[in-house]
Amino acid sequence: ETGVTQSPTHLIKTRGQQVTLRCSSQSGHNTVSWYQQALGQGPQFIFQYYREEENGRGNFPPRFSGLQFPNYSSELNVNALELDDSALYLCASSSARDFQETQYFGPGTRLLVL
Amino acid sequence: QKEVEQNSGPLSVPEGAIASLNCTYSDRGSQSFFWYRQYSGKSPELIMFIYSNGDKEDGRFTAQLNKASQYVSLLIRDSQPSDSATYLCAVKKSGNQFYFGTGTSLTVIP
Repeated sequence: ETGVTQSPTHLIKTRGQQVTLRCSSQSGHNTVSWYQQALGQGPQFIFQYYREEENGRGNFPPRFSGLQFPNYSSELNVNALELDDSALYLCASSSARDFQETQYFGPGTRLLVL
Repeated sequence: QKEVEQNSGPLSVPEGAIASLNCTYSDRGSQSFFWYRQYSGKSPELIMFIYSNGDKEDGRFTAQLNKASQYVSLLIRDSQPSDSATYLCAVKKSGNQFYFGTGTSLTVIP
């Protein structure tokens, strides 16, 4: 167990809806990264938050947005869901002391869009 | 061109053998390199990271980096059935962006 938690574990939504996924980082970690992993693919970087600011973004449209809170927990919001958004969503936390060198993943949220 | 390329496998090795996993990356500005293991239905777990040319050993695992050839590898010595999983190579570029390969599926046959 890494100490990174995510909720919910599974979620079913319909096309066009909005979804919010949550992540609590490991104690002592102030950086959270979000990834999308489609079946049979590697994780794709969505964005990263460091001390409540976005600190890097992958090739995802603006309907993917996020927040980080003062306790370093984070949310991923996806608007106007599409069928292709069905995937495992992973968050990973890391410490500024080991800046970017070590990331620990949470168990993931499996999203199905119908 | 993909940022990170891995042979998807599957790779099968007998128990006790050395498993060799390979990865190439496209951006010479990449800074750090990671190997993760992912069991089916689970999230990735970090095995090793490396950022200097050469070898880095941790128990049965050795990571090798050759920046001139833009090549990273992972050797698993004395492979065990519990090593059967998908191995993901990841690269960190400037701007704090991480790119993962599609993973190599490894099966260790008892």
